[in-house]
Amino acid sequence: DTEVTQTPKHLVMGMTNKKSLKCEQHMGHRAMYWYKQKAKKPPELMFVYSYEKLSINESVPSRFSPECPNSSLLNLHLHALQPEDSALYLCASSQRVPNEQFFGPGTRLTVL
Amino acid sequence: AQRVTQPEKLLSVFKGAPVELKCNYSYSGSPELFWYVQYSRQRLQLLLRHISRESIKGFTADLNKGETSFHLKKPFAQEEDSAMYYCALSPQGGSEKLVFGKGTKLTVNP
Repeated sequence: DTEVTQTPKHLVMGMTNKKSLKCEQHMGHRAMYWYKQKAKKPPELMFVYSYEKLSINESVPSRFSPECPNSSLLNLHLHALQPEDSALYLCASSQRVPNEQFFGPGTRLTVL
Repeated sequence: AQRVTQPEKLLSVFKGAPVELKCNYSYSGSPELFWYVQYSRQRLQLLLRHISRESIKGFTADLNKGETSFHLKKPFAQEEDSAMYYCALSPQGGSEKLVFGKGTKLTVNP
């Protein structure tokens, strides 16, 4: 399996909801990432997990909470989001060197 | 601080014409440079990385450390090359971080 998978593909939630995005890879990669991508913009890094430990948090608001249950799974827990958080959320994984990242198809999130 | 600049937001060429997508970077060390491509309704995927010096889908990119550039070139553009192209930089030392440029949308007209 050489793909990064993400579920769900689409998610609509209210500002008071709690939801989770899921990401899975079975390539044995040791780093996993969450990115946020607004329309016609490049991906913006949110979090990096290296060997299942959070190694980079790009000053993301606490309403986004990442979790790495094991080396193949990455979750992003969402709570009390704002409409401006609506975006495509991308997951990626990579080996240590080189930093070639493999991206999932993304979850299209709409916050009402 | 690392920065990647793609000066052209939009680039339009005719089929069969040469195409060059520009990328300049700012970094004091020896970075790794990549080109990623995002076709319509498809996931972001790696096109090229400078350390492999390979040609993918007819595209090549050469790292010019003197000019701090990593321009993407193809001698004869095809309609299926129409996509969003992102240049990206990874700092040396095996950093997990990837810094993206703002992207260039390439349209190849028939």
